[in-house]
Amino acid sequence: DIVMTQSPLSLPVTPGESASISCRSSQSLLYSNGYNYLHWYLQKPGQSPQFLIYLGSNRASGVPDRFSGSGSGTDFTLKISRVEAEDVGTYYCMQGLQTPLTFGGGTKVEIK
Amino acid sequence: QVQLVQSGAEVKKPGASVKVSCKASGYTFTSYGISWVREAPGQGLEWMGWINAYNGNTDYAQNLQGRVTMTTDTSTTTAYMELRSLTSDDTAVYYCARFRVWGYYMDVWGKGTTVTVSS
Repeated sequence: DIVMTQSPLSLPVTPGESASISCRSSQSLLYSNGYNYLHWYLQKPGQSPQFLIYLGSNRASGVPDRFSGSGSGTDFTLKISRVEAEDVGTYYCMQGLQTPLTFGGGTKVEIK
Repeated sequence: QVQLVQSGAEVKKPGASVKVSCKASGYTFTSYGISWVREAPGQGLEWMGWINAYNGNTDYAQNLQGRVTMTTDTSTTTAYMELRSLTSDDTAVYYCARFRVWGYYMDVWGKGTTVTVSS
């Protein structure tokens, strides 16, 4: 199975500032078609996960442009520019290269 | 709009089975799959498997093989997940999610069904 490792575990942020979350995979997620099979989700407190980013860097429909994904191979980053109070929750990366699909352990973003 | 509505909370005794339903609407059901993910208390997200709503093919997580069955009813656009031989370790919130075969990701999630296993 592909192991996904996120850091940090917890991330206190000041509204208006930027935040970055790292996600690393135990093997490359770059497929022969040129796409990285790495996706990002946000689970707000008491809610189900919501879809943020697919294939490494593509924002899902309705996701604000302050969210951006980057990286390739085994190293990926989710950046939130100008953090807002509504962005609090646990962020998960997930690999879609092969089953079983596996998630990172999560990064909890909270407001300072 | 695309929606997945899950069945209500369940309380089961160890050794029993549970069957959770997921009613899909707002899209062509057979053009996507349905994936199931669970979240145990204080834990992260665990992928359980997925079913192709077009042909019924399934792919289950190895650790659940033999205990889980995922099915769909295309006439009612409803997916089901049955888990057997329950133990306290199966206490969790169970989510269904629409699964995009191209890209292998879940883009729309249900609100979750809490399953509690307790004697």
